[in-house]
Amino acid sequence: AIRMTQSPSSFSASIGDRVTISCRASQGISTYLAWYQQKPGKAPNLMIYSVSILQSGVPSRFSGSGSGTDFTLTISGLQSEDFATYYCQQYYSYPRTFGQGTKVEIK
Amino acid sequence: EVQLVESGGGLVQPGGSLRLSCAASGFDFNTYWMSWVRQAPGKGLEWVAHIKPDGSQRYYVDSVKGRFTISRDNAKNSLFLEMNSLRAEDTAVYYCAGGIGDRWGLGTLVTVS
Repeated sequence: AIRMTQSPSSFSASIGDRVTISCRASQGISTYLAWYQQKPGKAPNLMIYSVSILQSGVPSRFSGSGSGTDFTLTISGLQSEDFATYYCQQYYSYPRTFGQGTKVEIK
Repeated sequence: EVQLVESGGGLVQPGGSLRLSCAASGFDFNTYWMSWVRQAPGKGLEWVAHIKPDGSQRYYVDSVKGRFTISRDNAKNSLFLEMNSLRAEDTAVYYCAGGIGDRWGLGTLVTVS
């Protein structure tokens, strides 16, 4: 199984900050990578797929980049509604695997 | 409006069985790959199983192979997860998800104890 490793596991940030979350795959996954946002008690919400394509309705302050094994989620100008846990997921091969999550907290 | 509504969760003893259901509406269910994803209390997401639109291909995470079966009834716009030989480590909220992951249900809690 492909292992997905996110870093950091958690961090604190302020409104307006530019934040980046990294996701590394244990082997190449081409561009078969998605990012999800999850808030407590809620289902995950797809933010980005195919590394960099924003899902409909997702604010443009979110962006994704990378290829092969290294990927990044960037939030340019953190808003209050962005405090949540973010997961990357590869869908290059089975089993589909998620990263362990990155919790973004208010500083 | 796209909706996925899970049901069938509950408390079950180790070694027991449960059948989860997911009722879909608001989209062409019979054209979508569908998945089950679970989340243990306080933990991250774990993909469990995936099924092709016509049901001809199914995939599972290793930890549930031979114990869980994913299936669907396209005539009833429904997805199922038959869970047997349940273990404490199967305790989680189980989500039904569809397509590229752009549609999710609210989840149903399975507790094995």
